[in-house]
Amino acid sequence: EIVLTQSPATLSLSPGERATLSCGASQSVSSSFLAWYQQKPGLAPRLLIYDASSRATDIPDRFSGSGSGTDFTLTISRLEPEDFAVYYCQQYGSSPWTFGQGTKVQIK
Amino acid sequence: QVQLRESGPGLVKPSGTLSLTCEVSGVSITTSSRNWWGWVRQAPGKGLEWIGEIYHSGSTHYNPSLKSRVTISVDKPKNQFSLRLSSVTAADTAVYYCVRTSVTRWFDPWGPGTLVAVSS
Repeated sequence: EIVLTQSPATLSLSPGERATLSCGASQSVSSSFLAWYQQKPGLAPRLLIYDASSRATDIPDRFSGSGSGTDFTLTISRLEPEDFAVYYCQQYGSSPWTFGQGTKVQIK
Repeated sequence: QVQLRESGPGLVKPSGTLSLTCEVSGVSITTSSRNWWGWVRQAPGKGLEWIGEIYHSGSTHYNPSLKSRVTISVDKPKNQFSLRLSSVTAADTAVYYCVRTSVTRWFDPWGPGTLVAVSS
């Protein structure tokens, strides 16, 4: 199975700053089949990005995804107060579908 | 607007069987030909683990790590699908989410989740 490693584990930033989250895969993710989710405490994850760079419905354009092969990035251009949460990447290029361990974006 | 909601017992005894149902509204499982329907779980304070998925035809795929204990089924007249996990242990304590799965296998939307504890 493909193992996803997210870095950093925790990112401490201030509102208005840029956040860059990384997701590395143990082998190439076919067709850039990689998604990003946001999870807030006590809530279910929410899809942000699919196919590495396509924004899901109603997701603000400050969220962007990029990458291919084994290296993927989620960028939040200017952090809003509601963006402080845990972010997970997920690959669906090879079954079983797997998730990274998460990156927590917290207020500095 | 597609909505999913999990239901089932919040407490299961060790060695017993965990059974959950996901009620789907806003779309018909039968006519939603581009979607699969699946389950993901999250142990307390931990990350996400994909359990398995089902197509309206009844075809299933399971995570190999759980395959020997998992059964996912669909009830088309009730527009719902179900999860059964047998021989549970404390390691199966988690929030269980049902998800609509795209044809390429990203997950959207998610149900709110239901916590299932395994304890005597």
